[in-house]
Amino acid sequence: EVQLVESGGGLVQPGRSLKLSCAASGFTFSNYYMAWVRQAPKKGLEWVATISTSGSRTYYPDSVKGRFTISRDNAKSSLYLQMNSLKSEDTATYYCARHTTEGIVSYFDYWGQGVMVTVSS
Amino acid sequence: EIVLTQSPTTMAASPGEKVTLNCLASSSVSYMNWYQQKSGASPKLWIYGTSNLASGVPNRFSGSGSGTSYSLTISSMEAEDVATYYCLQLSSYPPTFGSGTKLEIK
Repeated sequence: EVQLVESGGGLVQPGRSLKLSCAASGFTFSNYYMAWVRQAPKKGLEWVATISTSGSRTYYPDSVKGRFTISRDNAKSSLYLQMNSLKSEDTATYYCARHTTEGIVSYFDYWGQGVMVTVSS
Repeated sequence: EIVLTQSPTTMAASPGEKVTLNCLASSSVSYMNWYQQKSGASPKLWIYGTSNLASGVPNRFSGSGSGTSYSLTISSMEAEDVATYYCLQLSSYPPTFGSGTKLEIK
């Protein structure tokens, strides 16, 4: 059974840093791209970052580029999101998601339960 | 960036009623994915590659579309279908989600 379990969330002051972790199990982690997606309270979904299987390629939207860093440890089947210079608008539930590709079709097929990050003084 | 516009924003359907949710892309995409999110839960993959049902999804659901216009259809609404549905395009970076359609039951 595929499982993704996020941790590391909490309350943090604006301008500070936080690192999220996602522990994966039930599949060969190193074979899959992975992603982070967030959801502000009572809002929609926003893609935050994607990382390739080896970690050599990373992708971000402009809203977090230069502040967030996605990384992975394939030996530990773990995904990370280092968040620096946090802003109030980064307040959200952060989901870890597996990124699957079949031919030309890609999708996020498994999601974790999410971890809440609150940026406030 | 490709903007996805979902309509309607909110709708209510009676049990047994046919329901169609729409997702309009600002530029052509190769396919569309759909997610179901129930209150307080994580999103679940519902339809991928425009028309493929994810594992466990009832066959009263279907997906269709091409280019800039995609839709999710429920042939006969059931109470368990109450949720918010999001479309997601991964044809080009950055990936973008629609703002969601909240589906309620009458």
